[in-house]
Formats: sequence, structure tokens, C-alpha cells
Amino acid sequence: AQSVTQLDSHVSVSEGTPVLLRCNYSSSYSPSLFWYVQHPNKGLQLLLKYTSAATLVKGINGFEAEFKKSETSFHLTKPSAHMSDAAEYFCVVTGFQKLVFGTGTRLLVSP
Amino acid sequence: DGGITQSPKYLFRKEGQNVTLSCEQNLNHDAMYWYRQDPGQGLRLIYYSQIVNDFQKGDIAEGYSVSREKKESFPLTVTSAQKNPTAFYLCASSIQGVRGETQYFGPGTRLLVL
Repeated sequence: AQSVTQLDSHVSVSEGTPVLLRCNYSSSYSPSLFWYVQHPNKGLQLLLKYTSAATLVKGINGFEAEFKKSETSFHLTKPSAHMSDAAEYFCVVTGFQKLVFGTGTRLLVSP
Repeated sequence: DGGITQSPKYLFRKEGQNVTLSCEQNLNHDAMYWYRQDPGQGLRLIYYSQIVNDFQKGDIAEGYSVSREKKESFPLTVTSAQKNPTAFYLCASSIQGVRGETQYFGPGTRLLVL
């Protein structure tokens, strides 16, 4: 069965400092992996997607993620946080005919 | 503008009442999905449909029902059998519903019990 574990429920950073949101996955076959972002009371927006074409995936708003098969990880990073990045972030792996969601990481950005 | 719309934004349910959440897409996608989101949890799949007039139960279908009479519409009914309906409900769609496909989400409906 496929699963994802988001290692931190909350991450706090200061504006202008790097962001690291950690995700480990488990999959019995070659996975597709996603990061989605959700602002309060809004739907989910796709940040980026890994589909085996390249291990370093660039997404919107300066985010990127690196697929590491040996570590079964797909961590999300951004060099410099902006106040508008404050939101909840979900790591997602493909299951059989469905997506399997992590429990989310809330990113807090302070001035 | 292409996208997914959900209505209403907020919905209140009384004890014993069935309520229906609307989801419409103009992306010409074949597949549509309903998810439930509770605080501190990821999204959980309620129902999905890969084609008109066909749908499948997800992980938490009990107390819910759906229909797919038109390609662009996938309404969700929360029945009185759902004892804990308070949650944020998200509708999504994808091109074909095959594994690995990106799903696109609507803005959500928050259901509250009176």
C-alpha cells in the first residue's frame, strides 16, 4: 500500500530564511509524488509534481522538491520564505486509482 | 475561465436532514472526486467517478451518496446516516482518472451541523 509521512505538523520560519518541509513516502511501485498548498478555507493548489522525468522538480512560487529513492523522501524547499507562503502543505503519493495524502504541515512565517 | 466551482461555500445541516453539495467543472475532465478534510488529517476520498453514469466508493463512503448524470457535474449528498458530517468538503477533477494524473481542486464547501 502507498503512504506518506509528513515529519513535521508545524514549521516556523522568519521571512527571508529557507524553508524545508519534510516528506517520506512508501510505495510498492514507482510513484508519482505531488506537493499541494492550501490557504485557509481554500481549495488545494498544485505546487509541483514528480513523475520520474527528473529527480529535482521545480514548482511555482520558487518552491522545488528533490526525489530521493534511496531515502524514500520528497522534501519541499524554498530558498527564501515570503509572508504569503504561510499556509498548509500536503505531500501526496499516487495509490491505486486515488491519491494518498499526508496529514499536512502548517508553515508559519514571521516578519 | 476554466475551473471547478463548488457551492455553497458554507452549508448548515439540521438533525436528520439530507443536504447536497454541488460540484461543477468546465475543464472537460472525465474523472471527478469528492474528499473530506478534517482538522489535523489529510484528505480522505469519499467517492470518485471516471465516466458519466459510473462511480466508485472511496475509503469513507458510508453516509454519502453521489450521482454522475453529466460529465461536468458530480453532486454529493450527505445523508442523515452520516453521524459526523461537520467537515470541509473538496471536489476535484482530472483528465482521465488514471494513476499519476494531477487532480485539480475546487474551493471547497464547509458543512456545519446545527
